[in-house]
Amino acid sequence: TQLLEQSPQFLSIQEGENLTVYCNSSSVFSSLQWYRQEPGEGPVLLVTVVTGGEVKKLKRLTFQFGDARKDSSLHITAAQPGDTGLYLCAGAQNNQGGKLIFGQGTELSVKP
Amino acid sequence: KAGVTQTPRYLIKTRGQQVTLSCSPISGHRSVSWYQQTPGQGLQFLFEYFSETQRNKGNFPGRFSGRQFSNSRSEMNVSTLELGDSALYLCASSLPLAGGLLDTQYFGPGTRLTVL
Repeated sequence: TQLLEQSPQFLSIQEGENLTVYCNSSSVFSSLQWYRQEPGEGPVLLVTVVTGGEVKKLKRLTFQFGDARKDSSLHITAAQPGDTGLYLCAGAQNNQGGKLIFGQGTELSVKP
Repeated sequence: KAGVTQTPRYLIKTRGQQVTLSCSPISGHRSVSWYQQTPGQGLQFLFEYFSETQRNKGNFPGRFSGRQFSNSRSEMNVSTLELGDSALYLCASSLPLAGGLLDTQYFGPGTRLTVL
């Protein structure tokens, strides 16, 4: 059962464009994390959001956690070729310790 | 601080064999989680170990097992390998918080297992 639906699965855009990746679930999460993974490497944490309605900004990246803590979005402004990679959302639930539930991922390609 | 290390990085096995993968967490981290990543299923949780005890388990068959040593290093074992076990196996370490909450998980580079 895929508890986290991530969309789109693939995204190919030109440098300078904006984009949004969505992560949706019918389940409530205690926190939601966004990772970026490059080929041959493990996922690297970008941000953790824990409060419903929370918005966090990391340079050109804006992350939002839904009010009900069931969904999240990642918005990238003025994408650059260096943003290319696999973006993953992952949810944690109370009393589940180190268990993360991952979305399928969004493969982003930014062309110069 | 050194990151999470996994050995070996690449492994080729044949069906029916067994394999052991190793993970050394970041110094001071006591929780180690294992994940399987495939193109079709994405990242799926295998199990988590904390203080040498399995604390959580995903929906994988009993052929997948693991353990954790007193120094927090962890191993996972897959017996009777099947073609479908070909995947990137990732481990992640963290400092678990009270109340079952999750601290930041730091991932290793993974072990790429190919089953022929």
